[in-house]
Amino acid sequence: DIVMTQSPLSLPVTPGEPASISCRSSQSLLHRNGKNYLDWYLQKPGQSPQLLIFLGSVRASGVPDRFSGSGSGTEFTLKISRVEAEDVGVYYCMQPLQPPYTFGQGTKLEIK
Amino acid sequence: EVQLLESGGGLGQPGGSLRLSCAASGFTFSSYAMTWVRQAPGKGLEWVSTLSASGGTTYYADSVKGRFTTSRDNSKNTLFLQMNSLRAEDTAVYYCAKAPSSDNSNWYGAFDYWGQGTLVTVSS
Repeated sequence: DIVMTQSPLSLPVTPGEPASISCRSSQSLLHRNGKNYLDWYLQKPGQSPQLLIFLGSVRASGVPDRFSGSGSGTEFTLKISRVEAEDVGVYYCMQPLQPPYTFGQGTKLEIK
Repeated sequence: EVQLLESGGGLGQPGGSLRLSCAASGFTFSSYAMTWVRQAPGKGLEWVSTLSASGGTTYYADSVKGRFTTSRDNSKNTLFLQMNSLRAEDTAVYYCAKAPSSDNSNWYGAFDYWGQGTLVTVSS
């Protein structure tokens, strides 16, 4: 199974400041089609998860452009250029490359 | 508007069975793969199963393989999760989620719509 490891697990951020979350996989997520199979999800308090980023760097529909995804192979990063109060919640990376699809442990973003 | 509505959660006995349903609307259900993801109380997300659009291909997490069966009725726009031989560690909120692809030929993950979840509690 592919193991997904996120860091940090807790991320206090001042509004307006940037934030960054790292996600590492135990195997390369590069598909033979040249795309990286890595999703980012946000679960806001009391809500279902929502898709933020897929294929490593493609923003999902309706996701603000302050969110960006980057990386390749086994190392990926989610960046928020300027954190807003509505961005609080737990962020998960997930690999959909090969079953069993696996999530990272989650990174809890909170406002300072 | 895409909607996914899970039902069937509740209290299950260890060793017993429950059947979850996920009613879909607002999209052509038969064209998309569907997934179950669960979340134990206070814990992270765990992928459970993915079923292709036709129902011909299914994948399961090792933790549920042989006990859970995912199926779909495309005529009724409904996804199912038959849960047998329940264990205490199956206690979780179960979410159904839609994928933007139909099967392995165009798969890339990206669960773009999620239901609100249904709570399953396994306890005697």
